[in-house]
Amino acid sequence: AQSVSQHNHHVILSEAASLELGCNYSYGGTVNLFWYVQYPGQHLQLLLKYFSGDPLVKGIKGFEAEFIKSKFSFNLRKPSVQWSDTAEYFCAVTMNTGFQKLVFGTGTRLLVSP
Amino acid sequence: DVKVTQSSRYLVKRTGEKVFLECVQDMDHENMFWYRQDPGLGLRLIYFSYDVKMKEKGDIPEGYSVSREKKERFSLILESASTNQTSMYLCASSLGGGPRTEAFFGQGTRLTVV
Repeated sequence: AQSVSQHNHHVILSEAASLELGCNYSYGGTVNLFWYVQYPGQHLQLLLKYFSGDPLVKGIKGFEAEFIKSKFSFNLRKPSVQWSDTAEYFCAVTMNTGFQKLVFGTGTRLLVSP
Repeated sequence: DVKVTQSSRYLVKRTGEKVFLECVQDMDHENMFWYRQDPGLGLRLIYFSYDVKMKEKGDIPEGYSVSREKKERFSLILESASTNQTSMYLCASSLGGGPRTEAFFGQGTRLTVV
């Protein structure tokens, strides 16, 4: 079965530090990749997505992610985090065959201290 | 803006009760989903539906059923609630048309079974 791994469960950073959250998936075919974010008390919302083309994608609020096919990875990055980035981040994948079934990773809880 | 509304933010039910969680979306989306979110496990798909009266099992359907009588409404039913069903339940919807469409989430229902 397809799976998504996020190895960092909790990350604590100071404001202005750089962020990189890891995401790896296990599926040999063509995939679509997503990062979702859940701010405290809010609903999950899409941060960015990758389907094809340029492997470096930019999302909202200064986030970007890089797809590396050979490593089955889709890591999320931000050069300088802010206190308002405190949230839980989920990587997710759909396969390019058949129905859209989002498979999520276990999430990474990010705490940014001011 | 797409709105996915879950009828309750918090619910407390007794073991053995039949529990209904309701979800309504206002954007005429074909697809609707129910996930449960648990710390350290991420989001796991319980059931999904790609059309009225159609339903498909997700990864953890045991102990749950669903109903979709109208396009905008997708109900999750716990036939006989148990304490291991204490969790956060998230409803989502998306347009039909394949695996690249963005999913929109509700605020979640935190269910406690005592």
